[in-house]
Amino acid sequence: NAGVMQNPRHLVRRRGQEARLRCSPMKGHSHVYWYRQLPEEGLKFMVYLQKENIIDESGMPKERFSAEFPKEGPSILRIQQVVRGDSAAYFCASSPPSTRNTIYFGEGSWLTVV
Amino acid sequence: QQPVQSPQAVILREGEDAVINCSSSKALYSVHWYRQKHGEAPVFLMILLKGGEQKGHDKISASFNEKKQQSSLYLTASQLSYSGTYFCGTEIGGSARQLTFGSGTQLTVLP
Repeated sequence: NAGVMQNPRHLVRRRGQEARLRCSPMKGHSHVYWYRQLPEEGLKFMVYLQKENIIDESGMPKERFSAEFPKEGPSILRIQQVVRGDSAAYFCASSPPSTRNTIYFGEGSWLTVV
Repeated sequence: QQPVQSPQAVILREGEDAVINCSSSKALYSVHWYRQKHGEAPVFLMILLKGGEQKGHDKISASFNEKKQQSSLYLTASQLSYSGTYFCGTEIGGSARQLTFGSGTQLTVLP
């Protein structure tokens, strides 16, 4: 029973490049969340998606960041023209469709911008 | 609005007890507790729903005071494996299903 799968686990990008982070939710989970964690800080909500729908993107930076959760395939968090300040751990989490359930985190993708 | 956790850090000796608090200025539907070890994913500990319930497993338990919008995590007879950063995540309900996390409490258990 696989958990939330994220890849890549570690990603190094030069300033100005694009970063794509993927997340496959747990089996049976149709809700996906992305969180960002800066070094020595807490988890900051970015976006909440269901299949083919962005439900809440209030935590997403207005520029360069986008997320999708297509009908088929993993959820993708895309960061264009990365800057040093984008260096962080990006955690994906998923939960079942019924309300008031626990969300389970993947092991994270660590982005380093050089 | 981010919940406030206290203390920010605590150092214990094995076998001692600790309490971590989480408070919110907003009415909460639920509180979720996670533990994260350095470089790893947050691991779910427990969820408390409004209704003032208390939960626990093993030597870790938690309470949720709905009137005060506060939750406390109790760790009794701490073990070395309890070391890590503890986060509370709060859910305000309605259509907002995402959790808002506190800044964390770093717990270190020494032998």
